[in-house]
Amino acid sequence: EVRLLESGGGLVQPGGSLRLSCAASGFTFSNSAMGWVRQAPGQGLEWVSVMSGSGDNIYYTDSVKGRFTISRDNSENTVYLQMNSLRVEDTAVYYCAKDREVLGCSDYWGQGTLVTVSS
Amino acid sequence: AIRMTQSPSSFSASIGDRVTITCRASQGISSYLAWYQQKPGKAPKLLIYAASTLESGVPSRFSGSGSGTDFTLTISSLQSEDFATYYCQQYYSYPRTFGQGTRLEIK
Repeated sequence: EVRLLESGGGLVQPGGSLRLSCAASGFTFSNSAMGWVRQAPGQGLEWVSVMSGSGDNIYYTDSVKGRFTISRDNSENTVYLQMNSLRVEDTAVYYCAKDREVLGCSDYWGQGTLVTVSS
Repeated sequence: AIRMTQSPSSFSASIGDRVTITCRASQGISSYLAWYQQKPGKAPKLLIYAASTLESGVPSRFSGSGSGTDFTLTISSLQSEDFATYYCQQYYSYPRTFGQGTRLEIK
């Protein structure tokens, strides 16, 4: 059974940093691209970032480029999202998601972790 | 970035109705289109990928069609558990983008 478990969310002040983690199990992690999607309160889904299984291919949405960094540890079956210079508009539930195929759509999602950026 | 526009944004329907949701891309995306269902407080669930391929375990009353710029999600006979919000997503190019969502409510 595929399982994705996010952690690391919380309350942070504008300009602060936070690191999200997503622990995966139930599939061959190193073969799967992994990414993050967020959802602001009461809003729709926004794609954030993805990293290929090898780590060679990384993509970000424009609004987080230069502030967020995706990484992974294939020995620990974990993907991370380092978020720096956080803004109020980064407030959202952040979902970890596994790609269905090589850099495709997302077939499994975690339960999400809430990040609140507020003073 | 490719803009994805869904219509309608919301609507009401009854159990047993046939429902169609449309999604239009601002440029051609071949068949790199997925549909997701999301219920309140839950993570999205993949329904359809490659525009028309049903994800394993998804009921056959769901179907998708289209290619290029125009796509549809059809639910042939609405069940109570289908009342949710539906999103399309293109994965043809980066950044991947979602439609704004279509909220399906009970009439």
